[in-house]
Order: sequence, then structure tokens, then C-alpha cells
Amino acid sequence: GQNIDQPTEMTATEGAIVQINCTYQTSGFNGLFWYQQHAGEAPTFLSYNVLDGLEEKGRFSSFLSRSKGYSYLLLKELQMKDSASYLCAVQEGSYIPTFGRGTSLIVHP
Amino acid sequence: TAGITQAPTSQILAAGRSMTLRCTQDMRHNAMYWYRQDLGLGLRLIHYSNTAGTTGKGEVPDGYSVSRANTDDFPLTLASAVPSQTSVYFCASSDTPESQPQHFGDGTRLSIL
Repeated sequence: GQNIDQPTEMTATEGAIVQINCTYQTSGFNGLFWYQQHAGEAPTFLSYNVLDGLEEKGRFSSFLSRSKGYSYLLLKELQMKDSASYLCAVQEGSYIPTFGRGTSLIVHP
Repeated sequence: TAGITQAPTSQILAAGRSMTLRCTQDMRHNAMYWYRQDLGLGLRLIHYSNTAGTTGKGEVPDGYSVSRANTDDFPLTLASAVPSQTSVYFCASSDTPESQPQHFGDGTRLSIL
């Protein structure tokens, strides 16, 4: 089984940078996904990490350290539309992802 | 537009009644999944199917059944609904689960009274 931990809620200011952490414990790691979910909508894919290091996609970056069981999602130049829940999902040997409870990010002016 | 279609969008159901939530994808994805999402608990996997003709149990399968007769369709059935099954249900698919992300439908909001 897996234990995935994310902060419940974070707040940040428009234009700033925010880092959302995800820690996990798993017996056989096979990949980590980040999804964004706006209120009342479906989750949408943001990033995928399977090797250690940083993956950059525009304003969003995701980092993975497999030895530490740790990932973070970095959001730069925050915009109001970035207010959403951010879901960390970890794959084990079966490749079926298990989701964390999500981090609700509130961006204020 | 290609993607995943769920029906109905929302439903109110009396306890003890049966209900089938429909999910259809036109991306020819091999794997499909059903999740429920409850406040404070995140997305929890109910059942999954890695390919047509096969299904598997997820974290919270009790009270639910699925079938995968073909690639496109993955219906979820509640045989006898109970109030604890009140939730938002999301269907998802992925091409190759090993490295491809899941694509989600818009969800079905189900209330059991």
C-alpha cells in the first residue's frame, strides 16, 4: 500500500511562486503524476516524473527525489486562475495510481 | 471533441434502488477507471480495467460492479444504493498505464436519499 501526504491548503499572492509538496511511502515506485482540479470540474494532467530531477513546463515545474519519497510542484508567476486543488498521484508496480487527498491553493490579489 | 463522456451529469436516487453510471471514451484507450471523490478524502479507486474483457477491484469496490465488454464503454452499477454512496463519480482512461496520464470525464454527482 501507499501513504501519500500533501498539505491540505495553501495560500499565495498573485505573481508570486508557490511550492506544493508531496511525500509518499511505497514498496515499488513506478511514477508520479500531478493533476490540477478546479472546483466542480474534472482533474487535468499537469506533469509526470519517473526519474529524479526537475521537469519544467512553462510556469509549472515538478521535481522528484525517489530516494526521499518526495516530489514538489512549483508554480511561478501565480495567476488568479491557478486557484484550484492540486493532486499528487503515485504509481506502484501495478501502474494503477493512488491519489493523495489534494492541496487546495488559494491565490489572492 | 474526443474524450470521455459520463452520463448522467447528476442524479438523485432513493436508497435501495439500482443505478448504472455510464462512461464512454473515443480515444481507444486500453485502461479505464472509476473513482469516487468525497470532501477531505480525495479520489479513491473503485474498479479498473486494464483492457477490454478484464476488470479489477480498487480501494473501495464494495457495493459496486463494472463490466468491460468493449474498449469504449465502462459502466459502473450500484445494485442497491445506500446513502454512503453519495459522492461525485469520475471515470478516467489512459492509453498505456505505465507512463501515460489519465483523462477524466466531467463526473456524475450522485445523491442517495
